[in-house]
Amino acid sequence: DSGVTQTPKHLITATGQRVTLRCSPRSGDLSVYWYQQSLDQGLQFLIQYYNGEERAKGNILERFSAQQFPDLHSELNLSSLELGDSALYFCASSVSRGGETQYFGPGTRLLVL
Amino acid sequence: GENVEQHPSTLSVQEGDSAVIKCTYSDSASNYFPWYKQELGKRPQLIIDIRSNVGEKKDQRIAVTLNKTAKHFSLHITETQPEDSAVYFCAARDYGQNFVFGPGTRLSVLP
Repeated sequence: DSGVTQTPKHLITATGQRVTLRCSPRSGDLSVYWYQQSLDQGLQFLIQYYNGEERAKGNILERFSAQQFPDLHSELNLSSLELGDSALYFCASSVSRGGETQYFGPGTRLLVL
Repeated sequence: GENVEQHPSTLSVQEGDSAVIKCTYSDSASNYFPWYKQELGKRPQLIIDIRSNVGEKKDQRIAVTLNKTAKHFSLHITETQPEDSAVYFCAARDYGQNFVFGPGTRLSVLP
């Protein structure tokens, strides 16, 4: 157990819908990262927050957004869902701003039908 | 932007042999290179990492080497065991603090 929690574990929804994935970092970690893992594209870095502020942005679609709250938990919002958004979404946390020594959560498996 | 290639995509070794996985990156400003192990159905776990100011790092049976001139870094696992079987991902952190992952190597250690 890495100490990073994610909810829900599984999510099934329909195209066009909107979902919110939640992540709680390890105690003391200020950075949260979101990743998408699909079969054909491996691990894709989406976005990083550090102490409430967006720090780095990767391959995140405009339909996706994230935020980190004062208690340091983070939410990833996915809207206008498409079949291709079906994937495993991981969040990770680290104590540093630079992302070294990241601990991954168990992931949320999203299925868009 | 940064591009990370990883080879081989699959690797089978006999138990006790060594395994080597190589990654190349394109952005000379990338400065941090972690390696993750992901077992089937589980989360990625950091197994070793290296910063750009270091050429080699070792942790028991695992080592990573970095050649900044050639822009490649490699994972070395010695005395492989069946529990080393997993998918291994390399990654590079570029100047913009983005993490770019390689496509992964599926390692099978045969008893």
